[in-house]
Amino acid sequence: DTAVSQTPKYLVTQMGNDKSIKCEQNLGHDTMYWYKQDSKKFLKIMFSYNNKELIINETVPNRFSPKSPDKAHLNLHINSLELGDSAVYFCASSQDREGSTGELFFGEGSRLTVL
Amino acid sequence: QKEVEQDPGPLSVPEGAIVSLNCTYSNSAFQYFMWYRQYSRKGPELLMYTYSSGNKEDGRFTAQVDKSSKYISLFIRDSQPSDSATYLCAANSASKIIFGSGTRLSIRP
Repeated sequence: DTAVSQTPKYLVTQMGNDKSIKCEQNLGHDTMYWYKQDSKKFLKIMFSYNNKELIINETVPNRFSPKSPDKAHLNLHINSLELGDSAVYFCASSQDREGSTGELFFGEGSRLTVL
Repeated sequence: QKEVEQDPGPLSVPEGAIVSLNCTYSNSAFQYFMWYRQYSRKGPELLMYTYSSGNKEDGRFTAQVDKSSKYISLFIRDSQPSDSATYLCAANSASKIIFGSGTRLSIRP
């Protein structure tokens, strides 16, 4: 039974389109995250939610909008996709709010390709 | 300057060798230091974490932090082909975790 699951796994779309990625965790964690990993494997935080409340919002274009309907779900909607949005997007969760011990549980990633 | 710097490699060593992976960081406020392992087409998974300076050992893996020089290391003894992966160091800052760019490691049978 997958702990952090995200869909879709692969997404190929045209520039200018709008797309969503969904994430669900069954670990009972209060905090969920979206990370972006570029082609050089650099993993950068985008957003963090604690119990449906936004707590981290990095400098991300406002075309990216996270939504947390409940603490087990965190979705990412992207408007007007650009070539530079091509990356692997990882959802993660942690037991504690700040992830202070560093234990994040990641999903398998959603590979987005914008043509 | 990135807050956590890591040599991207790739690093290729023969099976059985001792592997040394290293990172440097710039923020003195970091307190927790982590190593994540990421297999190809998978999400990162936590390998080890260390609080402040010192060593931590888990089987063939040893994590080392030297806060005076802002240096983080991971040693892998008796390396196996199954250790082939990208290793990401990370450090905790306030409410977020900052990752290095990862070192790709390949163990040759």
